[in-house]
Amino acid sequence: GQSLEQPSEVTAVEGAIVQINCTYQTSGFYGLSWYQQHDGGAPTFLSYNALDGLEETGRFSSFLSRSDSYGYLLLQELQMKDSASYFCAVRPFSGNTPLVFGKGTRLSVIA
Amino acid sequence: DTEVTQTPKHLVMGMTNKKSLKCEQHMGHRAMYWYKQKAKKPPELMFVYSYEKLSINESVPSRFSPECPNSSLLNLHLHALQPEDSALYLCASSQTGGAGNTIYFGEGSWLTVV
Repeated sequence: GQSLEQPSEVTAVEGAIVQINCTYQTSGFYGLSWYQQHDGGAPTFLSYNALDGLEETGRFSSFLSRSDSYGYLLLQELQMKDSASYFCAVRPFSGNTPLVFGKGTRLSVIA
Repeated sequence: DTEVTQTPKHLVMGMTNKKSLKCEQHMGHRAMYWYKQKAKKPPELMFVYSYEKLSINESVPSRFSPECPNSSLLNLHLHALQPEDSALYLCASSQTGGAGNTIYFGEGSWLTVV
């Protein structure tokens, strides 16, 4: 089976940097994805790591270490609009199973 | 165009009603999904269609009935729902196989059962 663990809540100051960690137990997966969801909205794709290392997309970066069963999402130059829930997710190798989501981290950006 | 469109955005229905949620994508994706999401929880998989055939049903009650009329459309028929079925229903699509690692979600349909 698969399970992904994330902190439930994180608070950070506008302009700062925040890291949201995701540790997982899974038998095998294609890669680690991150989704952002604002209140009242749908999840939107942020980043995907198929290989170990850092992927950078503007202010957001994502990291994966398969040997450590660990990944993180790094948000730089935080803005108030970054307040949202962030989900890590993996797509297992087995069958047609799509993404398995972590429980999500609620990020609050304060002034 | 990376868009999945869902209708209606909001739906209020009684426990004896029959209604349908509709989803459409034109990205050429051959995998389509229905997820259910409750407040402060992650999306929960309900159904997976691959090449218009139902491939996964996550033990969803029969009061939810999916349908995939063609490769671009996905419906979710609702009948005799319970108040606890009130949630955000998300349609999503992706490529199949190893390329299907990014799922694109629609904006969702907010369902309230009264």
